[in-house]
Amino acid sequence: AQSVTQPDIHITVSEGASLELRCNYSYGATPYLFWYVQSPGQGLQLLLKYFSGDTLVQGIKGFEAEFKRSQSSFNLRKPSVHWSDAAEYFCAVGAGNTPLVFGKGTRLSVIA
Amino acid sequence: GAGVSQSPSNKVTEKGKDVELRCDPISGHTALYWYRQSLGQGLEFLIYFQGNSAPDKSGLPSDRFSAERTGGSVSTLTIQRTQQEDSAVYLCASSRGQGAGNTIYFGEGSWLTVV
Repeated sequence: AQSVTQPDIHITVSEGASLELRCNYSYGATPYLFWYVQSPGQGLQLLLKYFSGDTLVQGIKGFEAEFKRSQSSFNLRKPSVHWSDAAEYFCAVGAGNTPLVFGKGTRLSVIA
Repeated sequence: GAGVSQSPSNKVTEKGKDVELRCDPISGHTALYWYRQSLGQGLEFLIYFQGNSAPDKSGLPSDRFSAERTGGSVSTLTIQRTQQEDSAVYLCASSRGQGAGNTIYFGEGSWLTVV
């Protein structure tokens, strides 16, 4: 069965600092990988996705993620965080016709 | 519609009452998903539909939960005899086709509070 682990429940960064949110997955083959963001009171918005090909994926809002097969990881990065990036971030894995499996999320706080 | 629409956006109900949550997917999307989001628990898969059929009901937590979809469009999630542990945000999502290769789009959720 697929599973997703987001080791960090809550991260606080200063505005302008770099960000890396960790995601590890468990699956027998190369799955489809996703990062979603949820702002307070909002639904989930897709940031980026990896299906195949280039392992560095660019997304919206200046985010990127890198797929590392050897580490079963798909970490999300941003070089300079803005206060508006404060939100909950979810990593998800999918394969075939099965519904996406989500991690428990990482809450990002941004301080001045 | 332009996005996935869910109603009600907020619902407070008394323990033991039944509730219905509605989801209107993006027009033309054949796959529809229900997830539950509890505090600190991430997103828990409940059920999905391909057309009007539900190939996977494995996530429904108990027989008090049921869902249907009619006309390949609107879906209703029903919770009977609500319990306090049912309090959560119920998220609906849809995608153009079945399978993980199709991007899924989420609604803003229905916040359910059982008192």
